[in-house]
Amino acid sequence: GAGVSQSPRYKVAKRGQDVALRCDPISGHVSLFWYQQALGQGPEFLTYFQNEAQLDKSGLPSDRFFAERPEGSVSTLKIQRTQQEDSAVYLCASSGDLPVNEQYFGPGTRLTVT
Amino acid sequence: AQSVTQLGSHVSVSEGALVLLRCNYSSSVPPYLFWYVQYPNQGLQLLLKYTSAATLVKGINGFEAEFKKSETSFHLTKPSAHMSDAAEYFCAVLPTSGTYKYIFGTGTRLKVLA
Repeated sequence: GAGVSQSPRYKVAKRGQDVALRCDPISGHVSLFWYQQALGQGPEFLTYFQNEAQLDKSGLPSDRFFAERPEGSVSTLKIQRTQQEDSAVYLCASSGDLPVNEQYFGPGTRLTVT
Repeated sequence: AQSVTQLGSHVSVSEGALVLLRCNYSSSVPPYLFWYVQYPNQGLQLLLKYTSAATLVKGINGFEAEFKKSETSFHLTKPSAHMSDAAEYFCAVLPTSGTYKYIFGTGTRLKVLA
């Protein structure tokens, strides 16, 4: 496909479960980002990859959050022992520019922790 | 630190009326500026961007924005609202110092009245 895709689109997890969210960036895009969007808020930066290197993970809210991009394309955001406050939409974006300019966003994964 | 302020979390206009969504940024150096639109259950779609070229920027769907350095503003306008414009709009800042972190405003939900 031509755009950024994310799966699953919706995920319901019971508190304490682990979840994995997938992002397929636009082919050839070097940069990949994860954002967290709480209800009624703008997206907030979580982490940034340039190819397979995670250059910035300063936005990850706790050590329960982990992201990887082992081959420099697909990325996975993993949340361990989910808590209710993790409920949000998780957006992935990619960019082909260096330095980064325009970012292209996927549709997001809506995570609900019950 | 950079910040973005969107005045008015909800804006209602009549169909055919002028749309004006406000965005102010705080920065001593003019950053790159973006407007994104988010339709329900979808990701963010770029409307337009300012990257230090022309101060009046035209985007998709008839939207435009004007960068005013003296007012540190980047307001989004559309001369005539259409029902399909109903969505949430986010202003974002990207400092020109080579960083990659978007800083988003909290969003403005636009309602178009028939």
